Order: sequence, then structure tokens, then C-alpha cells
Amino acid sequence: AQSVAQPEDQVNVAEGNPLTVKCTYSVSGNPYLFWYVQYPNRGLQFLLKYITGDNLVKGSYGFEAEFNKSQTSFHLKKPSALVSDSALYFCAVSLSYNTDKLIFGTGTRLQVFP
Amino acid sequence: GAGVSQTPSNKVTEKGKYVELRCDPISGHTALYWYRQSLGQGPEFLIYFQGTGAADDSGLPNDRFFAVRPEGSVSTLKIQRTERGDSAVYLCASSPDVRDTQYFGPGTRLTVL
Repeated sequence: AQSVAQPEDQVNVAEGNPLTVKCTYSVSGNPYLFWYVQYPNRGLQFLLKYITGDNLVKGSYGFEAEFNKSQTSFHLKKPSALVSDSALYFCAVSLSYNTDKLIFGTGTRLQVFP
Repeated sequence: GAGVSQTPSNKVTEKGKYVELRCDPISGHTALYWYRQSLGQGPEFLIYFQGTGAADDSGLPNDRFFAVRPEGSVSTLKIQRTERGDSAVYLCASSPDVRDTQYFGPGTRLTVL
């Protein structure tokens, strides 16, 4: 069965420092990988996705993610964190041959301290 | 342009009652999805429409849940005989086509007392 793991419930980082939010996946085919961010009382906002091609994907608000097939990972990164980046981040996967549903991780709360 | 909208934003009902949750997708998007997000969890897939037809309803938890999209645009998620365990945020998403990025609405928070 397909699954997504976000091993950290919370990540704390100081403003200006680099941040990493981890995601690993388990699928039986070629994955499509996504990152979404959720602010309080708001829906999920799309950040970036990996479909094929370059393993380093750049997205909104300066975020990027690296697809690593051998480690089945898709970690979210940003070189310099902002306080306004504080939110709940979700990694999701769908299958290239069955893209009707996204399977989400449990989310990681990012807290950026001034 | 306008994003996905959902109404109501909050719904409080009593156990056993019937509720309807509405989703207005982004104009022109042919694919529409419903997810349910329980507290502290990621969204879980319920059902997906391509046009007017439900292409995959494998995520609906039981026959109390039903969804329609009669004209290929607005969708309604219907829950009969609500139970306290149905309390969650119900999220709707749409995409231009089945292989495209899904864009989410703000959700409807359902509370069953």
C-alpha cells in the first residue's frame, strides 16, 4: 500500500537559518510528489511538485525540494527561514498511473523563531 | 482569479441529522476531489469526480456518505444520519485535469454533537 511518512511532528528553527522538513514515501510505481502548506483556518496551499526530470524542484516562497529515488525521500528545504513560514506542512504522493487521489503524511509543524 | 470556495465554513449539527456540504471549484476545472481531515491528521481521500461522474469513490467510509456533481461544476457532499465520528474538516479540491495540481478550498468544519 502507498504511504507517506513525515517523521517529525514539529521542526523549530531560528529566523535566517536554513530549514528542512523531512518526507519519505512508499509506493509501488513511479510517484508524483507534492508539498502543501496549511495556515490556521485556511485550506491547503500548493508549494511545489515533482513529476519527472530534474530532482531539485523549486516552488513558491523560496521553497525547494529534492527527490531522492534511492532513499525514497522528498525533503522540503529553504535556505533562510522567515517567521512568516511558520505553518503546518504536508507531503503528499500520488501514482503516475492513478493520479486521482493524493495520499498525505500526518504533517509537520514548522515554528520559526525571531 | 477566484479559488475553490466551500460553504458553509462551519456546520454544527446533532447526531442523526442530515447535512450537505457544498464545493464550488475553480472555473474550468474538470476534476473535483473531496477529502476529510481529522484533528492532527493529514487529509484523507473520499471521492473524485471527472466531469459529472464519480470516477473513484473508494474513500467514502460507508453508505451514509454520498456526493454528486450533476452539471460538472458545483459538487455537494451529503452525509446521512451523522455520527460524532464524522466531525472533521471536509476539504474540496479541483484541478484542470486529472494529472494536474489539486487546488484546495478553505474547508467546512463539521461538528456533530
